[in-house]
Amino acid sequence: DTGVSQDPRHKITKRGQNVTFRCDPISEHNRLYWYRQTLGQGPEFLTYFQNEAQLEKSRLLSDRFSAERPKGSFSTLEIQRTEQGDSAMYLCAINTKVWGETQYFGPGTRLLVL
Amino acid sequence: KNEVEQSPQNLTAQEGEFITINCSYSVGISALHWLQQHPGGGIVSLFMLSSGKKKHGRLIATINIQEKHSSLHITASHPRDSAVYICAVETSSGDKLTFGTGTRLAVRP
Repeated sequence: DTGVSQDPRHKITKRGQNVTFRCDPISEHNRLYWYRQTLGQGPEFLTYFQNEAQLEKSRLLSDRFSAERPKGSFSTLEIQRTEQGDSAMYLCAINTKVWGETQYFGPGTRLLVL
Repeated sequence: KNEVEQSPQNLTAQEGEFITINCSYSVGISALHWLQQHPGGGIVSLFMLSSGKKKHGRLIATINIQEKHSSLHITASHPRDSAVYICAVETSSGDKLTFGTGTRLAVRP
């Protein structure tokens, strides 16, 4: 248990539908990251938050993607009008000094767009 | 060219063998991470290092900052070590990670 939970763990949707994923860290922290991993590849950075502020967004994050962290704790990632190319594992990670300065990953949400 | 390159991409070993996975990077970094990913997706941090060498059980990680190279060694490998091992770098402290594509390790009994 890394102290980061993600919901749902799996999501199957039809092309054009909207989906929302949630990341819940349990510890004190200030930075929260979203990454995307496609089959056979390493994860790629999408965006990150320091407290409530979204500090950086990758160019991978098209206008169809939006992320929020309204109270500086949990975060949501929404994909609008999903496309088949959005099929991937979406990973959330936190950086916390409580357990040492490394990143702790959630189990991921696996998205399949049909 | 990717900023983080790993070799080999795939590795098969017999139980008990000594294993080395290599990582080279092309950017200035504040730290390098070695991560383990099992089937099903969960990623676990093994090491974070910015210089020298770290050891945890049968795992050893080394880094040479001047050569921009790191290695992960597994001594007395075991089938339960079978996983994907990923190298990742952060260019400033607490920043996002940039990942290699991973090395898929299979250890046969």
